[in-house]
Amino acid sequence: GAVVSQHPSRVICKSGTSVKIECRSLDFQATTMFWYRQFPKKSLMLMATSNEGSKATYEQGVEKDKFLINHASLTLSTLTVTSAHPEDSSFYICSAPRGAEEKLFFGSGTQLSVL
Amino acid sequence: SQQGEEDPQALSIQEGENATMNCSYKTSINNLQWYRQNSGRGLVHLILIRSNEREKHSGRLRVTLDTSKKSSSLLITASRAADTASYFCAPTFSGSARQLTFGSGTQLTVLP
Repeated sequence: GAVVSQHPSRVICKSGTSVKIECRSLDFQATTMFWYRQFPKKSLMLMATSNEGSKATYEQGVEKDKFLINHASLTLSTLTVTSAHPEDSSFYICSAPRGAEEKLFFGSGTQLSVL
Repeated sequence: SQQGEEDPQALSIQEGENATMNCSYKTSINNLQWYRQNSGRGLVHLILIRSNEREKHSGRLRVTLDTSKKSSSLLITASRAADTASYFCAPTFSGSARQLTFGSGTQLTVLP
């Protein structure tokens, strides 16, 4: 079964509203989680690294005030898209490493559509 | 860029045929991972090959690694319609803090 749970799977919102996406590690503690954004038929773009108990590390070109990341516990990271605009419409995916394993476990993704 | 680049971008084959996808990268790696993504879903880890390995098998998957050419290939044998998905490689580098970066992937379509 899934080891990383992501919710919601799909959200439609009006322009100007904020949307929160949750990413949970189900049976392990994740001090680090990664947030990606994916456009149709395109690669996953790493947006930021979420660090439990400290500030997220954003990739170049990603607006930290636009995409707020909170990693308040060892099993939960949230991505809030603030004042969403149609250009923020995309597929957002989180992932986390488990323990010393080198592979990443991914959530099932969130399709955000901003009207 | 430290991401891998997959080739071809798209591949369409008949069920039962083998599918080969390639990955190229630019700098020395610790290991290289392959992931699969079904449409509208997250990625699922398939296989990891270390820099000191040349070939690895897992079920119908065969991965090769040529560090001198900085390339890897993923072979899926006896493909099935359920193998239809996008496939991504992810090379990992020392000091990458376990974050992975991905290319555009290979979209594999297996026709029944």
